[in-house]
Amino acid sequence: EDQVTQSPEALRLQEGESSSLNCSYTVSGLRGLFWYRQDPGKGPEFLFTLYSAGEEKEKERLKATLTKKESFLHITAPKPEDSATYLCAVQAENTGFQKLVFGTGTRLLVSP
Amino acid sequence: DTAVSQTPKYLVTQMGNDKSIKCEQNLGHDTMYWYKQDSKKFLKIMFSYNNKELIINETVPNRFSPKSPDKAHLNLHINSLELGDSAVYFCASRRRGWNEQFFGPGTRLTVL
Repeated sequence: EDQVTQSPEALRLQEGESSSLNCSYTVSGLRGLFWYRQDPGKGPEFLFTLYSAGEEKEKERLKATLTKKESFLHITAPKPEDSATYLCAVQAENTGFQKLVFGTGTRLLVSP
Repeated sequence: DTAVSQTPKYLVTQMGNDKSIKCEQNLGHDTMYWYKQDSKKFLKIMFSYNNKELIINETVPNRFSPKSPDKAHLNLHINSLELGDSAVYFCASRRRGWNEQFFGPGTRLTVL
């Protein structure tokens, strides 16, 4: 069964203190790995899609990387507005209907 | 604004009642989804509709019935509500040929 595990469960950073979030996955053939951001009381907001090991994507202070077993979301010099829950999801090759399997997320709090 | 929208935002009801949640997307997407997010923030797929045809039913109780009058709308009807149905329900949509899914703001259902 496809599975996604995210760590840490929660992370507290000072503004400007860079760190990484981890997403480990097991899937029967990876079609894509997705990162979403979720603010309290809102729906997940799409950030990145990664398709193959070695791929990297960047957006402002965020950089996502992918290996054959895990993905990292690097946050460089975070700001308080980066505080949110970051969700990782995988899509397996054998699903013709693009099902996403999510992890439980990492709650990030950035203090000024 | 182009988006995925859901109504209502909040729904509080008694056990045994029947309720519906509505979803609309004006993104021109072909596939729509319902996800359930439990109290631990775990997001799990329930249904997918592709051009008005059900193509996923992830072992959801048959008290839950999705209805899609057209490809821009996917409603979720729930019969005989139970305490365990309390959760946040998210609608999402995807364009054909793309992997990314875009989520609505969620409906928080509380069953008393």
